[in-house]
Amino acid sequence: EVQLVESGGGLVQPGRSLRLSCAASGFTFDDYAMHWVRQAPGKGLEWVSGISWNSGSIGYADSVKGRFTISRDNAKNSLYLQMNSLRAEDTALYYCAKVKNADSKYFDLWGRGTLVTVSS
Amino acid sequence: DIQMTQSPSTLSASVGDRVTITCRASQSISSWLAWYQQKPGKAPKLLIYKASSLESGVPSRFSGSGSGTEFTLTISSLQPDDFATYYCQQYNSYFLTFGGGTKVEIK
Repeated sequence: EVQLVESGGGLVQPGRSLRLSCAASGFTFDDYAMHWVRQAPGKGLEWVSGISWNSGSIGYADSVKGRFTISRDNAKNSLYLQMNSLRAEDTALYYCAKVKNADSKYFDLWGRGTLVTVSS
Repeated sequence: DIQMTQSPSTLSASVGDRVTITCRASQSISSWLAWYQQKPGKAPKLLIYKASSLESGVPSRFSGSGSGTEFTLTISSLQPDDFATYYCQQYNSYFLTFGGGTKVEIK
């Protein structure tokens, strides 16, 4: 089955760190760029970060630059998001998303998301 | 960054209505625009890419148009399954941005 499954979310205090994972299956993971998109409770979608198939190209939203690090392990069909210096405004459901084609930047496959809550 | 502005933010409509949602970009994005549908508690679903290309499996009552800075998503005859929130997304630059969303409610 073609799917993405996120994990690693939870309740964390401000200033602390958390590492999210996304396990991919059912497709050739290393053929595609991958991204993280988040959604604060009751709010819209916000792109967080993206990484090319070979990790050669990486981008971050200004809101997370310098605090979050995206990475991937193609041998393990996995995507990661290391989140440091977390803030209350990082509270959101974090989705892992696959691009539709090798050279596209829109998403045809999403996970169900993992919830990150930053609170003391 | 490119800002995406959707209107209206909420739309009340009846089954069978023709519905149009607008998305405006703060600068030209050519046709690099996608539309998604999201239902409560679910992940977004791709409907349209490259402004007007229908994703496989998406009903033909959905259509997209526009280029440059102004785009529209049209549902030709609203069905009960279409009550949801719709988002546009530009991918002209690597710094991807979404519109604020349009919630389509039952009138």
